[in-house]
Amino acid sequence: AQSVTQPDIHITVSEGASLELRCNYSYGATPYLFWYVQSPGQGLQLLLKYFSGDTLVQGIKGFEAEFKRSQSSFNLRKPSVHWSDAAEYFCAVGSMSYKLSFGAGTTVTVRA
Amino acid sequence: EPEVTQTPSHQVTQMGQEVILRCVPISNHLYFYWYRQILGQKVEFLVSFYNNEISEKSEIFDDQFSVERPDGSNFTLKIRSTKLEDSAMYFCASRPLGTGELFFGEGSRLTVL
Repeated sequence: AQSVTQPDIHITVSEGASLELRCNYSYGATPYLFWYVQSPGQGLQLLLKYFSGDTLVQGIKGFEAEFKRSQSSFNLRKPSVHWSDAAEYFCAVGSMSYKLSFGAGTTVTVRA
Repeated sequence: EPEVTQTPSHQVTQMGQEVILRCVPISNHLYFYWYRQILGQKVEFLVSFYNNEISEKSEIFDDQFSVERPDGSNFTLKIRSTKLEDSAMYFCASRPLGTGELFFGEGSRLTVL
């Protein structure tokens, strides 16, 4: 069965500092991996996705993620956080059918 | 920018009542989905829909649930007899042909009393 673990429930980071959100997945085959962001009152917005190829994936808003098969991880990073990055972040794993399994989410708070 | 729209944004209903949640997917998209998130829990897959039929469904999606694309634009989720545990945020999503992005709506919050 496919599943995702996001070990960090809540992360607080200073504006301008770097951010890394952890994601570990369990999947029987080559996974499709996603990071979504949800701001309060908003839907889920795709930040980036990995299907195959280059293991370092660039996304929107300056985010990137690295797929590490040996560690079953797909961690999300941003070099310099802006106050507008405060939101909840979800990692998801799935197949070509887009039946996705989501992690529990990590809430990011940005302090001035 | 095209977006997935959902109505209502919030619905309160009594246990046992029927509820229909509506979604207007992006116009050229071919695959449609419903996901839900119970408060404090993970976002869960409910059902996927393609070519006017269900292509995949989860164990949550029992006989009390149904989906329909009644016309060329709407995609609905019906819950026939709501239970307290159906209280959740329901997200509609759509995507185009190929390995494109899955676009989510802002969700419909269902509260069952």
